[in-house]
Amino acid sequence: NAGVMQNPRHLVRRRGQEARLRCSPMKGHSHVYWYRQLPEEGLKFMVYLQKENIIDESGMPKERFSAEFPKEGPSILRIQQVVRGDSAAYFCASSPAYRGRIEAFFGQGTRLTVV
Amino acid sequence: DQQVKQNSPSLSVQEGRISILNCDYTNSMFDYFLWYKKYPAEGPTFLISISSIKDKNEDGRFTVFLNKSAKHLSLHIVPSQPGDSAVYFCAASDPASGTYKYIFGTGTRLKVLA
Repeated sequence: NAGVMQNPRHLVRRRGQEARLRCSPMKGHSHVYWYRQLPEEGLKFMVYLQKENIIDESGMPKERFSAEFPKEGPSILRIQQVVRGDSAAYFCASSPAYRGRIEAFFGQGTRLTVV
Repeated sequence: DQQVKQNSPSLSVQEGRISILNCDYTNSMFDYFLWYKKYPAEGPTFLISISSIKDKNEDGRFTVFLNKSAKHLSLHIVPSQPGDSAVYFCAASDPASGTYKYIFGTGTRLKVLA
């Protein structure tokens, strides 16, 4: 009964490099959400995806950030040309397809450090 | 514009006593509220939730109270245990968003003293 799996747990990138963060949802879950937590702040919604579809990306910066959830494989959050301000903990959550209100389950996060 | 506020960044409580964590929100359209617990270097773990049609929900040592007129909710932990020491996040869901887009507060760090 694996939970939400994120990798890598820690990622160090130099300014200008690309960062790729992966998220495998819980078995049976078809909805994935990415959140970002900056130091001393709460989690901020970035994007909500279903398989092969971006449903809501209203929290995602317009440039350099992209997300996908392909038919096969994990969801990927991609940050191009990283800057120091991208240093944060990035959490992925998943939930089943369900019309009612239900909690999302979070992964352990990827801590991105830009040097 | 912080729609969900946790005004106490930290709280210390003696083991065995009650811990009360507070959360205020500004959007009267929020219809579902959750509490998550987070240990260092781990992801948030769901604790308890409440729908806006209720004013109380209880699960073991954890009870969440919702006061819609005051736009306030609180989490009570009785009795508090050292293992409860963590950061607690309040979150709210807006049905108008059409998704499970949660809006989180900034968290309250609870320390339970043995």
